Amino acid sequence: AQTVTQSQPEMSVQEAETVTLSCTYDTSESDYYLFWYKQPPSRQMILVIRQEAYKQQNATENRFSVNFQKAAKSFSLKISDSQLGDAAMYFCAYPASGTYKYIFGTGTRLKVLA
Amino acid sequence: GAVVSQHPSRVICKSGTSVKIECRSLDFQATTMFWYRQFPKQSLMLMATSNEGSKATYEQGVEKDKFLINHASLTLSTLTVTSAHPEDSSFYICSASGDRGTYEQYFGPGTRLTVT
Repeated sequence: AQTVTQSQPEMSVQEAETVTLSCTYDTSESDYYLFWYKQPPSRQMILVIRQEAYKQQNATENRFSVNFQKAAKSFSLKISDSQLGDAAMYFCAYPASGTYKYIFGTGTRLKVLA
Repeated sequence: GAVVSQHPSRVICKSGTSVKIECRSLDFQATTMFWYRQFPKQSLMLMATSNEGSKATYEQGVEKDKFLINHASLTLSTLTVTSAHPEDSSFYICSASGDRGTYEQYFGPGTRLTVT
């Protein structure tokens, strides 16, 4: 079965510091997309970053970047210069084979300490 | 970016009544829409996938006669919770996908349903 594992239920980071959230997945596909979504207290799901598996280069969006290790099936999210507004639940996800529906991880709650 | 709206944002209904939740893609055509349920402090649980003009595909364990999904147009899907009971109280989220190339889903803001 295709799965997504987020092994850190909760993480804390000091404001302005860097934190890395881990995500591993299991797929037999060779080409796929991976996503990180943020869900703040408002509960609106917001796309943080997207990675295309066939691209060697790690995706970057301002303070957010990924470390994509295809062979290891690892897709970690690095948040640099953490801000109070980064406090949220973070979900890793990817589309199930042959479909457009997502398989979500269990989420990591990120706390940012002032 | 693509915007998805949901209405209502909050609803309280009495046990035994039905409630309808609307999901609209405001600035793009959604070929596929998804309905999720989220319990407190948990991940999103996919309930069903709907394509415009087709019957919804329900996930295992989801009662299709209780959670009626209609995807009448490329911009509107509705979820009707029939004969609601307190255990149906939850946070319901819809999402829409229009870009078949990137597989990206755009999420609505969610609806909090409370059944008394």
